[in-house]
Amino acid sequence: GAVVSQHPSWVICKSGTSVKIECRSLDFQATTMFWYRQFPKQSLMLMATSNEGSKATYEQGVEKDKFLINHASLTLSTLTVTSAHPEDSSFYICSASRPSNYGYTFGSGTRLTVV
Amino acid sequence: TQLLEQSPQFLSIQEGENLTVYCNSSSVFSSLQWYRQEPGEGPVLLVTVVTGGEVKKLKRLTFQFGDARKDSSLHITAAQPGDTGLYLCAGEGGGSQGNLIFGKGTKLSVKP
Repeated sequence: GAVVSQHPSWVICKSGTSVKIECRSLDFQATTMFWYRQFPKQSLMLMATSNEGSKATYEQGVEKDKFLINHASLTLSTLTVTSAHPEDSSFYICSASRPSNYGYTFGSGTRLTVV
Repeated sequence: TQLLEQSPQFLSIQEGENLTVYCNSSSVFSSLQWYRQEPGEGPVLLVTVVTGGEVKKLKRLTFQFGDARKDSSLHITAAQPGDTGLYLCAGEGGGSQGNLIFGKGTKLSVKP
């Protein structure tokens, strides 16, 4: 149980375009999901907390207008990278807290390459 | 700012050897989690420790949470090539829920 599905696994886009990444909790409801970014050979950095039915909470230094987060249902959160640039190329990972337990279930990640 | 110092950053050992990975902080965490991450995939939770002094075992892996809940260790006995991967510690307690503070990870390579 407690599976988080992330899609797509990888995407290549042109500079200036927007990319949407989906994160779904398959067998549980997640009122809160989290978006992380991981650069090569570095650890995960929390970007924002996605709250169902309300605005996301962004970490310091993360542009909310560039990284749009929508959490319209209890099982789906989306991250849209707008006007992507090569420096946005990274590994984006979502997670959700597992019900009645500690620890978090992570999606399989999305490798974004902006060319 | 809460930080988790994880060491060593890289570890290359022979099959059958033992190893320990350390995760240290000056901050107190309500819980500390250990994850394993394969290339191109998200981290997979191995264990969560909550109580100071707690010890948890997962087959050949032994996890310990420090008495003051500021540090943790992962010990692997008789390492196998299948243990190869990136091990991450993550502390929770930095304010809002889900704000996991991750260590930089330990890249383990076990050679047959």
